[in-house]
Amino acid sequence: NAGVMQNPRHLVRRRGQEARLRCSPMKGHSHVYWYRQLPEEGLKFMVYLQKENIIDESGMPKERFSAEFPKEGPSILRIQQVVRGDSAAYFCASSPNLKVDTQYFGPGTRLTVL
Amino acid sequence: AQTVTQSQPEMSVQEAETVTLSCTYDTSESDYYLFWYKQPPSRQMILVIRQEAYKQQNATENRFSVNFQKAAKSFSLKISDSQLGDAAMYFCAYRIITFYNNNDMRFGAGTRLTVKP
Repeated sequence: NAGVMQNPRHLVRRRGQEARLRCSPMKGHSHVYWYRQLPEEGLKFMVYLQKENIIDESGMPKERFSAEFPKEGPSILRIQQVVRGDSAAYFCASSPNLKVDTQYFGPGTRLTVL
Repeated sequence: AQTVTQSQPEMSVQEAETVTLSCTYDTSESDYYLFWYKQPPSRQMILVIRQEAYKQQNATENRFSVNFQKAAKSFSLKISDSQLGDAAMYFCAYRIITFYNNNDMRFGAGTRLTVKP
């Protein structure tokens, strides 16, 4: 059973460009979570999605950031008009359902904004 | 607000020795879960151990065990017989589960563990 997959592993963008980060949850998992990790810091929750629904986006900046988890395909975290402060590692985690407390993490995408 | 505090930014241990990483948390909830995750240089987040708050018995996973003190809101990780591969950042995390939201997970800032040969 493949784990949570994220791609790309590394992404370089210039200021003003768009960044798209993809996350494929573990097979059978319908809950996806996105976290951001700044250097030397812990993970900060951004958004929680189920298939075709955003359940909680309280940790996501109101502007330039959006997330989706379509019926088919991976979850996507989109950052428009990136700025240097967006440089971070972005982690995706998944869990199978509400009753399971443990989240399983992907390897992360390291975004560098030049 | 729920917060997680790891008071030791860095720790060092001799190979084969035992080390304890501290974690305290703040919550008004009575039902929750606690986790320790390990993040090696590869940046992968690896679950080390988990503890249900309603269980009094401390969780154990091979060389890893926790000391869960619910009244003190303390959740320390003990690593016995430390190995070079244990070197990593260790994050303590806290999570409540509600019927509607499955997202309320908070991480500490991490403790960097160095293992000396």
